[in-house]
Amino acid sequence: GQQLNQSPQSMFIQEGEDVSMNCTSSSIFNTWLWYKQDPGEGPVLLIALYKAGELTSNGRLTAQFGITRKDSFLNISASIPSDVGIYFCAGQLADGGSQGNLIFGKGTKLSVKP
Amino acid sequence: NAGVMQNPRHLVRRRGQEARLRCSPMKGHSHVYWYRQLPEEGLKFMVYLQKENIIDESGMPKERFSAEFPKEGPSILRIQQVVRGDSAAYFCASSPPISPNVLTFGAGSRLTVL
Repeated sequence: GQQLNQSPQSMFIQEGEDVSMNCTSSSIFNTWLWYKQDPGEGPVLLIALYKAGELTSNGRLTAQFGITRKDSFLNISASIPSDVGIYFCAGQLADGGSQGNLIFGKGTKLSVKP
Repeated sequence: NAGVMQNPRHLVRRRGQEARLRCSPMKGHSHVYWYRQLPEEGLKFMVYLQKENIIDESGMPKERFSAEFPKEGPSILRIQQVVRGDSAAYFCASSPPISPNVLTFGAGSRLTVL
């Protein structure tokens, strides 16, 4: 099936550092979404991107929809302990799939050392 | 303003029993989606429903799994004759008509099959 390659798989960083993670695919996407999941909880939406080249911020988070529509990145600036969790990218394929039928990456597990 | 409500949060079943998972979408949301998450994995799309209609069930296993969203009441994901491989977290999500790909997830139902 279709796949999103998300990297890195995990990150251990010092509080205050910036973080960058990305997702790539060989397929073209209409929508990119970034979610954060805490243990035992459901994913919570961080940022939604709808157009190629779109750059969107939400507080310390910034995400971009790649020009080729095949990739996206998420940056977190000045990390704090509560940023700990698993970050997922998700997208809707341009070719095929109904609305809400999102392809998810395998996640980036972020650990922050105070 | 309640979010997506799922119950039960945890369910234990023996092999061969039936599991029923319930989901009430956010107020004003008419689209419901079910996803499955295996340990250390991203979420996988199962089914997309509107009231009394299955719109896309391309991610549903062909046997033992069924979903409904009746005119009244919550959406139900039913797994008959459960097997150990069905052990997973099952997430329901809903979206409003104007932003169908922006999914809000519930906290999930964790099924353990003994």
